[in-house]
Amino acid sequence: DGGITQSPKYLFRKEGQNVTLSCEQNLNHDAMYWYRQDPGQGLRLIYYSQIVNDFQKGDIAEGYSVSREKKESFPLTVTSAQKNPTAFYLCASSSDRLLTDTQYFGPGTRLTVL
Amino acid sequence: AQSVTQPDIHITVSEGASLELRCNYSYGATPYLFWYVQSPGQGLQLLLKYFSGDTLVQGIKGFEAEFKRSQSSFNLRKPSVHWSDAAEYFCAVGATDSNYQLIWGAGTKLIIKP
Repeated sequence: DGGITQSPKYLFRKEGQNVTLSCEQNLNHDAMYWYRQDPGQGLRLIYYSQIVNDFQKGDIAEGYSVSREKKESFPLTVTSAQKNPTAFYLCASSSDRLLTDTQYFGPGTRLTVL
Repeated sequence: AQSVTQPDIHITVSEGASLELRCNYSYGATPYLFWYVQSPGQGLQLLLKYFSGDTLVQGIKGFEAEFKRSQSSFNLRKPSVHWSDAAEYFCAVGATDSNYQLIWGAGTKLIIKP
């Protein structure tokens, strides 16, 4: 089945640690996205990538980093510079970055800072 | 700047009753409009979308939405809800002059009374 997988489902981090969230898609999509979701708020865009080896900052990129070395993979690193990283993180992909292209979402990773 | 407002944080309806979830947006031209649904602890799934043409849009799971330009609204409706419709619903707006990003509402949580 085609889709998007995110791992792990739950992640716990100590203060000062970097952690990496995995996102893999087998939909052959060019565009991939990372969103952050907090209670009572809409999704906020962290980073997006339209093509391999290229990515752009979204609205809340500070404290995060990404890479896009393969078309199917778009990992997100939450660095110690991110002041309040506890949140639900969603990865999405679309065939292209046109607004007419549906974004498909993974099941999410819940990150908790201890 | 574009914005999306979902005025209702929670809505409770009885099973079998009709449903309307409100979405208002702020944008000068005709936006691209979306409704997504999120089950607890899961990713988001597209219900329907509007780009142009007929202002009444049919989606999956028996949902429909109507674009009303004069009211800057894109309300989601369903004639008879089922217990499985309990979820959180997000409205999103996209515009070509916002770098093709989606702007998300804060969501409306739908609770179904048996």
